[in-house]
Amino acid sequence: SQTIHQWPATLVQPVGSPLSLECTVEGTSNPNLYWYRQAAGRGLQLLFYSVGIGQISSEVPQNLSASRPQDRQFILSSKKLLLSDSGFYLCAWSTRQYSNQPQHFGDGTRLSIL
Amino acid sequence: QKEVEQNSGPLSVPEGAIASLNCTYSDRVSQSFFWYRQYSGKSPELIMSIYSNGDKEDGRFTAQLNKASQYVSLLIRDSQPSDSATYLCASLYSSASKIIFGSGTRLSIRP
Repeated sequence: SQTIHQWPATLVQPVGSPLSLECTVEGTSNPNLYWYRQAAGRGLQLLFYSVGIGQISSEVPQNLSASRPQDRQFILSSKKLLLSDSGFYLCAWSTRQYSNQPQHFGDGTRLSIL
Repeated sequence: QKEVEQNSGPLSVPEGAIASLNCTYSDRVSQSFFWYRQYSGKSPELIMSIYSNGDKEDGRFTAQLNKASQYVSLLIRDSQPSDSATYLCASLYSSASKIIFGSGTRLSIRP
């Protein structure tokens, strides 16, 4: 069966510090991968998605970036965090084998910027 | 702009009653729809997928799809306190391999 791992679970960072969040998927090949952010009490905001290695689509211009160095690895980064980057970051995957399949989420990273 | 709209709630339902959650979507081309449940502080969990007009039942959950009206609903029978959560409706925008999520309806089951 497929599993998705995200780490760390919680992170407290000062303003202006760098960020690296990692997500890996097991049990499937060539997944679609996604990064979302959810502000407290709000809906899901799609940040980036990837349909293959090195292929990244950005949904919202901001100081975040994403990379997909390996088939089942998706990384969210920032060079300098802002207070507004606080939130719940979720990685998700979906199969590319069929075009109508849902996304499955990792446990998320709760990021607090001080 | 493709959108999925939900009433934010909170929707308060007595224990044992039927909870009815509704959603409308703007993209007429969408063929796949999903309901996710999100407990406070946790990640969304898929509970139902529906692809055809009509009803789809899974245990206490029934998803309903009406493509002509661009309307999706979720019924929860015999509501339990453990059903208290935010329910997210989602529509698959398949040409771009991404899902459009509604902002969620907060459901509260009162004993």
